[in-house]
Amino acid sequence: QKEVEQDPGPLSVPEGAIVSLNCTYSNSAFQYFMWYRQYSRKGPELLMYTYSSGNKEDGRFTAQVDKSSKYISLFIRDSQPSDSATYLCAMKREYGNKLVFGAGTILRVKS
Amino acid sequence: DARVTQTPRHKVTEMGQEVTMRCQPILGHNTVFWYRQTMMQGLELLAYFRNRAPLDDSGMPKDRFSAEMPDATLATLKIQPSEPRDSAVYFCASGTLASGSSYEQYFGPGTRLTVT
Repeated sequence: QKEVEQDPGPLSVPEGAIVSLNCTYSNSAFQYFMWYRQYSRKGPELLMYTYSSGNKEDGRFTAQVDKSSKYISLFIRDSQPSDSATYLCAMKREYGNKLVFGAGTILRVKS
Repeated sequence: DARVTQTPRHKVTEMGQEVTMRCQPILGHNTVFWYRQTMMQGLELLAYFRNRAPLDDSGMPKDRFSAEMPDATLATLKIQPSEPRDSAVYFCASGTLASGSSYEQYFGPGTRLTVT
């Protein structure tokens, strides 16, 4: 079993929909939780990160972490075709530099 | 606009040949990571350096892969000899310790390697 599980999709939604992307993990030592966005043939770019539990909002994006359930989510409101990309969750322990990535979910927003 | 740069962007080579990939981290970043991305395995960490010293290369096949950082502006990843199973996109990322223990990694555009 992988440390971080993420449904690869693809997830296809109409423009304007609310998108929910999720990851589960097994290592309770993870304290930092990140979402990266990767466009086709590009490198991943950091979208948001959260420390420990709670919510964080940035424009149309909201990240949620539920450490009791070992479950993290990324919500995208008013989704746009430009949001079409692969979204990777990543996690790391309190100390150290190693990120553990999920497999990535392919999102397609249709106009 | 500070970016991680990688060369070459694409490389096609024959099995058995040596492959060298180069990365220029963002100026001032003291940690450099090498990742490999495939459809089957996703994004895997191969090795990383801090202040040019290798900290962890446990993800790298030691018999054929080597990673070095000859200076603060250059990181290299070599495969010798290359095999078809090495075909993947190789990403370099750099970062620096931000406030507290938070950490952000900035990825380069990747080197797409095909070994025939």
